[in-house]
Amino acid sequence: QSALTQPPSLSGSPEQSVTISCTGTSSDVGGYNYVSWYQQHPGKAPKLMIYDVSRRPSGVPDRFSGSKSGNTASLTISGLQAEDEADYYCCSYAGSSTVFGGGTKLTVL
Amino acid sequence: EVQLLESGGGLVQPGGSLRLSCAASGFTFSNYAMSWVRQAPGKGLEWVSALSGSATNTYYADSVKGRFTISRDNSKNTLYLQMNSLRAEDTAIYYCAKVPRLWQLVHFDYWGQGTLVTVSS
Repeated sequence: QSALTQPPSLSGSPEQSVTISCTGTSSDVGGYNYVSWYQQHPGKAPKLMIYDVSRRPSGVPDRFSGSKSGNTASLTISGLQAEDEADYYCCSYAGSSTVFGGGTKLTVL
Repeated sequence: EVQLLESGGGLVQPGGSLRLSCAASGFTFSNYAMSWVRQAPGKGLEWVSALSGSATNTYYADSVKGRFTISRDNSKNTLYLQMNSLRAEDTAIYYCAKVPRLWQLVHFDYWGQGTLVTVSS
């Protein structure tokens, strides 16, 4: 149950695109198409942004997209907006458990 | 509208016990697995435990196995987490989260606002 690996921080200017990576193993990210991404603003509960690698829940802007290749999943945010500044966590099903990434703090410059 | 409301957090001494509750509404509670996820102050999310909709399948992180017990009362639409032998490293906000499947922990589609547990002497 080792945590998935994410970059601790990333930054981007408004309207730019950023991609957050999430690396696991064949026992989690690489073994299932059940990667999800969560956005968390300070003092708030996490919010589901992407599930099943690339699906968006209703109400999530299509600026958010997900993908996966091998043991690494990615979240891409295009057309960055000020409100996208938050912490982002990846998560993967791992059979009889689930595992989160360490989180990435996204700063919009 | 799905709502999850946690309660039961507070200050407890090392070695002590606490029981968290999560009252659910807005969906057919027994049809979905439920989970607890925690976040230590200034740290990331950590999955803690989960329970299938019918309560037949339980899942625990290694860090809490043998100390925490998850349960649910489908007649009361309530999820519980009994925490025993608490340690300082269990200090965290504990979130209740809904899973959109009966037992497979694919992702968490709704979250409560969390309840703070502080383990300190």
